[in-house]
Amino acid sequence: QVKLLQSGAELVKPGASVKLSCKTSGFTFSTSYMSWLKQVPGPSIEWIGWIYAGDGGTNYNQKFKGKATLTVDKSSSTAYMDLSSLTSEDAAVYFCARLISSYDYFDYWGQGVMVTVSS
Amino acid sequence: DTVLTQSPALAVSPGERVTISCRASESVSTGMHWYQQKPGQQPKLLIYGASNLESGVPARFSGSGSGTDFTLTIDPVEADDTATYFCQQSWNDPYTFGAGTKLELK
Repeated sequence: QVKLLQSGAELVKPGASVKLSCKTSGFTFSTSYMSWLKQVPGPSIEWIGWIYAGDGGTNYNQKFKGKATLTVDKSSSTAYMDLSSLTSEDAAVYFCARLISSYDYFDYWGQGVMVTVSS
Repeated sequence: DTVLTQSPALAVSPGERVTISCRASESVSTGMHWYQQKPGQQPKLLIYGASNLESGVPARFSGSGSGTDFTLTIDPVEADDTATYFCQQSWNDPYTFGAGTKLELK
């Protein structure tokens, strides 16, 4: 079955960067779109961007350009997101999700990873 | 960005019918999807394309609407449906989510 397994919780210092991973199984990763989303208590959800695993093509929410960088490793069916220059506003739970491109919805989600920004 | 407005909370009794609304600030055609999220869990897809039931989701859930007004209906509601329900639009860039409707059972 489809699985998206995210890396563990992160505690990072302000100004630092962090790389989150999302290891997938149970579907053809190389022809899939993978997305990342941010959830803060409230509990609002924001879409960060997607990456097409086939060719690495990306589409970012303008709000997250310069903050997030999406990459994939097809050999391990893993999606990654780099977050740079972290501030307290980046503290959140981050999810990876598979994007179905016919209607652009998210059919499978990872379990989420909490990123805490603190000195 | 397209703003999606949901009522913040609802309380219903098991066995009743509940409708959760989502209004978009501009037309999203049928590019509207619904998710259920329980505390500490990831969101779960319920409805895609405004009215299509995701595989494995009970037929008690249904969706309707187009343009700017959408509804998620649960009939009948069961105790396990206690959760927060989000709408998400994909017609306009960037994809956006509503703030969620918290459903509580009396």
